[in-house]
Parts: sequence; structure tokens; C-alpha cells
Amino acid sequence: DGGITQSPKYLFRKEGQNVTLSCEQNLNHDAMYWYRQDPGQGLRLIYYSQIVNDFQKGDIAEGYSVSREKKESFPLTVTSAQKNPTAFYLCASSPTERTEAFFGQGTRLTVV
Amino acid sequence: KQEVTQIPAALSVPEGENLVLNCSFTDSAIYNLQWFRQDPGKGLTSLLLIQSSQREQTSGRLNASLDKSSGRSTLYIAASQPGDSATYLCAVKIDTDKLIFGTGTRLQVFP
Repeated sequence: DGGITQSPKYLFRKEGQNVTLSCEQNLNHDAMYWYRQDPGQGLRLIYYSQIVNDFQKGDIAEGYSVSREKKESFPLTVTSAQKNPTAFYLCASSPTERTEAFFGQGTRLTVV
Repeated sequence: KQEVTQIPAALSVPEGENLVLNCSFTDSAIYNLQWFRQDPGKGLTSLLLIQSSQREQTSGRLNASLDKSSGRSTLYIAASQPGDSATYLCAVKIDTDKLIFGTGTRLQVFP
């Protein structure tokens, strides 16, 4: 089946640790996105990529990093510099940047 | 700066009612507007996409309209069912290729 796969579904991070969230799509989409969702707030854009080996910061990029070495993969690393990482993280993709976006099932990250 | 607002924040209705969910945005320079559904703890499911040149889109019991000049979109749900209970999000795509989201309307349909 075509779609966007995020893993893991739940992730626990200790203070000072870096963690990487996986996002893979087999839809052959060019654009990929990472969003963060907090209770009572809308989704906020962390990073997005329109093409392999290129990506741009979103509104809340501090404390996060990404790579886009393959078209189908867009991993997000939450670094120790992110002071409040507990949130629900959503990955999305679209055929081009101006078309319909599709989302994965999310990863819930908790700091312990 | 583009801002997206959804009203009401929450809605509880009996089964069978026809519903209207509202979405407003401050800058009419959008490429498209998309409505999503989100179940608790899950990702977003795309419901309808309206391009900036379109006025409405329909899918089954759902109808979404767009009035770009007034910065408004409505999602109409006909004959609501308990299975429609979820949070509904609207988002606009702007020239920096971002999707800007509203905070959503939490809908509960009771039998």
C-alpha cells in the first residue's frame, strides 16, 4: 500500500539525549514536511523539503535537524538543544509544494 | 502574517443534524485550502482540497466552500453520524509553500 510511515509510534527521551524520528513515503512525492502538535495549539512547521538534498527551516526549527538524502526519507532529529520536546510529531508529503498534503500516523515523544 | 481561525472550538450535536464548521484566514493570497480530520492520537486524514480558483468541493456527505476574498471557508457535514466524531482542521497553503493550520473544531456526535 502507498503511504507515509512514521516510526516509532511512541518514543521516550532522557534529558540531554538526541533522538531521531523516522518518516518514509512510497508515494513518489517531492515535498516532505515535519510538524509539531501540542495540546490546544495548531500544527507548527519545523522543517520542510522540496527536493533531495535541500530543506528549509519552518517556524520552530531551533533544536531540530533534518536530512533529505533520499526522496522517500526525511528523518527528524530532536537534539538536546530542544528544551521542551514533549509533543506529537507529524510527517507529511505532497506531490509538489502546491498540492494536497498527506500525513503519517505520528510519533509521540515524551521526555522522561 | 497569515493566521487561521476555526470557530467553534468544540461542538456537540445529536445524530442526524446538519453541521457547519467555519475557518477564516487573514491573507487571501493562498494557493489552496485543505480540510483534515484527526482522531485522538492519530495522524491527519485529508478530507477535501479546494484550489484558490475553486468555490467548492464535495465528497459524499461533506461539502467545503471557499470565499477567498472574504477569507472564509466552511465545511458542511450532512446527516451527522457518531462516526463523524473527531477534530476537524483547516489549513491554507501560502506562497512560502507552508501549510498554516487552524487550531481545530472538536466535534462530538451522540446517538
